[in-house]
Amino acid sequence: KAGVTQTPRYLIKTRGQQVTLSCSPISGHRSVSWYQQTPGQGLQFLFEYFSETQRNKGNFPGRFSGRQFSNSRSEMNVSTLELGDSALYLCASSWDGSYEQYFGPGTRLTVT
Amino acid sequence: AQRVTQPEKLLSVFKGAPVELKCNYSYSGSPELFWYVQYSRQRLQLLLRHISRESIKGFTADLNKGETSFHLKKPFAQEEDSAMYYCALIGDSSYKLIFGSGTRLLVRP
Repeated sequence: KAGVTQTPRYLIKTRGQQVTLSCSPISGHRSVSWYQQTPGQGLQFLFEYFSETQRNKGNFPGRFSGRQFSNSRSEMNVSTLELGDSALYLCASSWDGSYEQYFGPGTRLTVT
Repeated sequence: AQRVTQPEKLLSVFKGAPVELKCNYSYSGSPELFWYVQYSRQRLQLLLRHISRESIKGFTADLNKGETSFHLKKPFAQEEDSAMYYCALIGDSSYKLIFGSGTRLLVRP
């Protein structure tokens, strides 16, 4: 079974731009979570989607948003990029009712 | 507040030595606790979960509710165990993983 995939793997953007990252969960997984990983703050939860609805949200500004499609694929969007948004963005999926999350390889976002 | 603390940034041991990676948590209820591992150039992967009580790759972790700890142990470290280890919890029946800051384990030959 294919693992969680994320595209693109690397991205370079300029301050003020916006970016969209994509995540395809493991087949059959309907829960998709997003995390930000930085050297200073570590791994921080952004949000979690299930059946196209945001079920949980972390403490990030409204510039960070996401959505989930009917096939469980998910996207996250960051608007008005700031230098501090440079990070590795990880997506994870899980079975309905399971707390075991399977992670993708991440998208490395660099904001210049 | 929910919090996971891993006091050691780096733990260096020799091959064959015992390993203990410390994890303490702060949570008022009964959380789900996990250890995740990230080997060099690989994705974050689940190592073990406290309710499964399994031993994975020789690692075990015991939940001590009195001390609010979930330390990861292995009796004889191997070089291939060198990696970044993260302790994490889920509370409130949410799907929000709260991670510790991680401990880098370096096993020297």
